[in-house]
This record gives sequence, C-alpha cells and structure tokens, in this order.
Amino acid sequence: QVQLQESGPGLVKPSETLSLTCAVSGYSISSGYYWGWIRQPPGKGLEWIGSIYHSGSTYYNPSLKSRVTISVDTSKNQFSLKLSSVTAADTAVYYCARLDREAVKIDYWGQGTLVTVSS
Amino acid sequence: NFMLTQPHSVSESPGKTVTISCTGSSGSIASNYVQWYQQRPGSAPTTVIYEDNQRPSGVPDRFSGSIDSSSNSASLTISGLKTEDEADYYCQSYDSSNLVFGGGTKLTVL
Repeated sequence: QVQLQESGPGLVKPSETLSLTCAVSGYSISSGYYWGWIRQPPGKGLEWIGSIYHSGSTYYNPSLKSRVTISVDTSKNQFSLKLSSVTAADTAVYYCARLDREAVKIDYWGQGTLVTVSS
Repeated sequence: NFMLTQPHSVSESPGKTVTISCTGSSGSIASNYVQWYQQRPGSAPTTVIYEDNQRPSGVPDRFSGSIDSSSNSASLTISGLKTEDEADYYCQSYDSSNLVFGGGTKLTVL
C-alpha cells in the first residue's frame, strides 16, 4: 500500500520560502508515476500546485509557476516543494500525492500538513 | 484558462438520490477524463469516481459518474443517500497536464 507523509515547518514568515518534503513508502518513486502537491486554504477548495516525474520532468500551475520548485530525491524515496515569497494567501493545508502515469488524476493522498504564513 | 464550475451546495434526505454537476468552461469536457473526490471534514480527499464513470474498489455502486456533452458537464450521482455521504465533493480534470479542480460542492444529508 502506497503511503505518503508530508513534513516541514508549520509556520513560515511572510516573504520567506515555504519548504515541505513528502516521504513515500510502499512504492519506489523510481518505478514510475507522477508525484505532486495540492493545497487547500482553510475553508476553501483544492488547488493543484505542480507535479514531477522520477526523471525530474515537471508541470507547474501557471498561477504559481514563478514561485514554485518541485524536486525529487530517488535515493531517499521522497520529493519536495519550495514556494518562495509567501504571503498570508499561501496559508493552507498542503497535500502530497501520487498521480497516475499520465499525470492526470490522483491515486493516493498524504494526510496533509497545515502551513501558516504569519510574522 | 480551463475552469470547472460546481454548485456551492446541495442537500437531500436519506434514501433519496442527488446529482452534483461539474461544468467545463471551454472545449469539450468529454475530451479529458473527469474524476470525483470525496472529502470529509479534517481528512484528505478520496476518489469515488475516476475516468468519468469508474469506481475504485471499495466504493459502493450507489456512486456513479456520467458525461453530458450537450451541456459540457460531468455529473456525480449518489443514490440511496446515507448520512455518511455528507461531505464535500470535488470534480477534477486536466488541461495539457495541468490539473484543474472544481470549486467543490458541500453535500448535506438531512
């Protein structure tokens, strides 16, 4: 069974960089599939942030592209998210997920982690 | 930009049938698969329908999905409503490998 677990600071200051890691167990990232990040502001809907293949090929939400970097570390079987120049609008629950081989639907979700942007 | 529009909320009584719509802003919604996710409070979403009308194992056949090309919309239908079906439901599709979510529909079973 594929399991994903997000980790990282729960509080980030405005203008700084949000950094999260997703540890994957039960499946080797190197074996294929896309891996991604989705966020959900409190009381609001889901927003796709971006996706990455084990080779490093990425897709980013055009509205966030200038601030987002997603990377993969196959040796640690994990992938990461960096979101720069954060504001209060970036406060959200951040989910990591496994997508299908075409990167068009989500098969497995992490439990999510709340990141608050505040000074 | 491609967008998916859902009603903000729907409500129905236990045992009844409810349908949640998801309308595409442009192009043909039938061109790309639509998924439906259920999200209960405090939990991550789970898939109830994938590839327009396929149910993952473990999802009861009370859940069904369809596409209506004439209205450029997808629909999630839940029959024999149970109180446990009360949740937020999100449709999702994609545009050139960019995932797109609908705004979500809050289903109240009362």
